Amino acid sequence: DQQVKQNSPSLSVQEGRISILNCDYTNSMFDYFLWYKKYPAEGPTFLISISSIKDKNEDGRFTVFLNKSAKHLSLHIVPSQPGDSAVYFCAASAPLGTSGSRLTFGEGTQLTVNP
Amino acid sequence: EADIYQTPRYLVIGTGKKITLECSQTMGHDKMYWYQQDPGMELHLIHYSYGVNSTEKGDLSSESTVSRIRTEHFPLTLESARPSHTSQYLCASSVTGARTGELFFGEGSRLTVL
Repeated sequence: DQQVKQNSPSLSVQEGRISILNCDYTNSMFDYFLWYKKYPAEGPTFLISISSIKDKNEDGRFTVFLNKSAKHLSLHIVPSQPGDSAVYFCAASAPLGTSGSRLTFGEGTQLTVNP
Repeated sequence: EADIYQTPRYLVIGTGKKITLECSQTMGHDKMYWYQQDPGMELHLIHYSYGVNSTEKGDLSSESTVSRIRTEHFPLTLESARPSHTSQYLCASSVTGARTGELFFGEGSRLTVL
């Protein structure tokens, strides 16, 4: 039972255009949603997050939108740059113990930004 | 810049060998985690720790074991490696009390068992 799903394994966009990466989830108990970026042979790095009580969070070129009724979130990158080429993981957070979090990850989407 | 380190980065070993993947962090984080990832697949939580002398199994069943004797150190051990253990293993830590779920990851250990 996969609770976080990224249906597009890959996405290719032109430099300067918008990249939109999508993610769907099934568990209503998730209270934070995060995007991680991963380059080959490196660990994932945190990119941006959003609380379940918000519908939008923006940080520079990156904006995450959350649609709770549809259990859907998306990451917008604009303008896209070749350095953005990486695997992007969607993750959802649920409480773990008294003060920790358990992250559930999607399968990742390989973004390629062409010059 | 996160200060979490994993060694070895790459390991190729034969079946039946015992291996230990090391993970250390210098941020003083109480919470530490091990994730396993196969190419094109999601990261699966296999172990986590709330703090010293605390270890728990994660969502994905794993034949590996972990220990947490010191706050900064969270090694993962496979007593007898098999080809099915071939995967990437990612160690992570999180800020005590953080509820956002942000994890700091190491660069990973890619294990190949022949």
